[in-house]
Amino acid sequence: NAGVTQTPKFRVLKTGQSMTLLCAQDMNHEYMYWYRQDPGMGLRLIHYSVGEGTTAKGEVPDGYNVSRLKKQNFLLGLESAAPSQTSVYFCASRPGTGLGGYTFGSGTRLTVV
Amino acid sequence: KQEVTQIPAALSVPEGENLVLNCSFTDSAIYNLQWFRQDPGKGLTSLLLIQSSQREQTSGRLNASLDKSSGRSTLYIAASQPGDSATYLCASTDSWGKLQFGAGTQVVVTP
Repeated sequence: NAGVTQTPKFRVLKTGQSMTLLCAQDMNHEYMYWYRQDPGMGLRLIHYSVGEGTTAKGEVPDGYNVSRLKKQNFLLGLESAAPSQTSVYFCASRPGTGLGGYTFGSGTRLTVV
Repeated sequence: KQEVTQIPAALSVPEGENLVLNCSFTDSAIYNLQWFRQDPGKGLTSLLLIQSSQREQTSGRLNASLDKSSGRSTLYIAASQPGDSATYLCASTDSWGKLQFGAGTQVVVTP
């Protein structure tokens, strides 16, 4: 009963380094989302996907790329990390429009120094 | 652009009191409204989802109301317990399922 699994849970990067955050869900959900959470600002949408092979930009997409090659996985990439990308990143999934609520992962805490 | 506001930002009540958490949104053309709970250092747990055609949803001690015309939703937690201490987030949803979150209300229930 894994739900939504995010890896890694913690990471420290140096400015300019790259990394990929992995989100995996085992519920056969169509829709997947990446959010970032910063103090006092709530959660903001980075990118989302409405099905395998599709991606779309959210509210704060700059500096990030995503891919959804397999239905169960949604990858978030940082090509050249900046201190402004220090945040907690959450992945979420849901079955599809009108088919139910969201399941969130436990988050990835990323620090860029 | 949809803006979601939660007032108050923090709330402290003694055990047994009822909790009332407020959420307001600027665009009434929402698909649904959802309430989440977040414990420190944890992810979000879905509490209640209210479809745009509904007025309220109930689950145990939790009741959430939705008034689209006034752009408001309220989460009521009856007979609060120390285990209810957490941050509560509301979020509106568009037709693509994109969530627009408020900044949250941090609740502390003292024994």
